[in-house]
Amino acid sequence: GAVVSQHPSRVICKSGTSVKIECRSLDFQATTMFWYRQFPKQSLMLMATSNEGSKATYEQGVEKDKFLINHASLTLSTLTVTSAHPEDSSFYICSAYGQATSENIQYFGAGTRLSVL
Amino acid sequence: SQKIEQNSEALNIQEGKTATLTCNYTNYSPAYLQWYRQDPGRGPVFLLLIRENEKEKRKERLKVTFDTTLKQSLFHITASQPADSATYLCALDRSGGYQKVTFGIGTKLQVIP
Repeated sequence: GAVVSQHPSRVICKSGTSVKIECRSLDFQATTMFWYRQFPKQSLMLMATSNEGSKATYEQGVEKDKFLINHASLTLSTLTVTSAHPEDSSFYICSAYGQATSENIQYFGAGTRLSVL
Repeated sequence: SQKIEQNSEALNIQEGKTATLTCNYTNYSPAYLQWYRQDPGRGPVFLLLIRENEKEKRKERLKVTFDTTLKQSLFHITASQPADSATYLCALDRSGGYQKVTFGIGTKLQVIP
């Protein structure tokens, strides 16, 4: 149980375009989802916390107009990187937890490798 | 500011030996600490959670200790196997609710056959 699916696994786009990444909890209702970014040889950095039905909470230094997060249902959160630029190239990972999952444990998606040309 | 340090970027050990990974933290009083495994190009996978009032936790070949006085956690893999080769991340809970955690940079473990 507690499977989180993330799509796409890899995306290559041109500079200036927008990219949407989906994060789905397959077998539980995710009351909270997190979005992380990971650069090579660095730790996962939390970008934002997404709660179903409410606005996302962004970490300091993360541009909310650049990284749009929508958590419209208990099983789906999306991250849209708007007007992507080469410096946005990174590994984006979502995680989720809910009332049915074990307390304090986040279940992660497989990640999305974004390359902006 | 809060800081998490993991003992080295890479650790090589012989198959069958016990691997010991270290996680030190400063300016923290975490209620719990977690260990995750991350394979290249994949998301982390939860392994163990240990709370501040627990000294030790075990799961199969894994053992975690938590010393809140030393501000340190040790993660042991006994009878290591090549399949255990991965990066191991420690994560500490942070204030602000919503189960937020802060991750260390991770230690890359290579088990040599």
